[in-house]
Amino acid sequence: EVQLVQSGAEVKKPGESLKISCQASGYSFTNYWISWVRQMPGKGLEWMGAIDPSDSYDRYSPSFEGHVTISADKSISTAYLQWSSLKASDTAIYYCARPLVSPRGPSEAFHIWGQGTVVTISS
Amino acid sequence: SYEVTQPPSVSVSPGQTASITCSGDRLGDKYTSWYQQKPGQSPILIIYEDKKRPSGIPERFSGSNSGNTATLTISGTQAMDEADYSCQAWDNSFVVFGGGTKLTVL
Repeated sequence: EVQLVQSGAEVKKPGESLKISCQASGYSFTNYWISWVRQMPGKGLEWMGAIDPSDSYDRYSPSFEGHVTISADKSISTAYLQWSSLKASDTAIYYCARPLVSPRGPSEAFHIWGQGTVVTISS
Repeated sequence: SYEVTQPPSVSVSPGQTASITCSGDRLGDKYTSWYQQKPGQSPILIIYEDKKRPSGIPERFSGSNSGNTATLTISGTQAMDEADYSCQAWDNSFVVFGGGTKLTVL
């Protein structure tokens, strides 16, 4: 079964750092990009960026570039999303997602989703 | 940056047809995907490449895309279809989501 399993819920304070994970199974991890998607409380989906696990080439939405870092470790089929200094506005559910087809292109559609990681930032 | 816009809410009676729109500049020149999301669950892909359905998605879900508007149509809407629906497009290697539409089945 193809699946993405994300790390558990996190509660952090403003200014702290955080790294959440997304472990893939059931397919060749290096064959598909992994994207990260944010969903703030009661709001819609926002694409943050994506990474090609085969060479760690990444692409960020302008709205998120410089505030988060996406990485991947192909030896353990795991992608990561990390922050060096969290803000209260980072409180959200974060999803990793894999597209239906490879390579990335204009028809990109996310067929496999992780269960989401709830991140709460509060002083 | 490219943007796509959805109505915040749509209501439909059981058994009727629901239409949810997604608007963007020359959206018809791009591929649009649609996702269904129920409370507390991850999104589910229901339409890709404007009108294709992944395996397991009921035939009552269909899509179209022309001009500046993509449309998700749900025929014979059922109570279980009450959910948030989001459109998604791809622009110059960036992914863009609409703000989502809450479908209420009255």
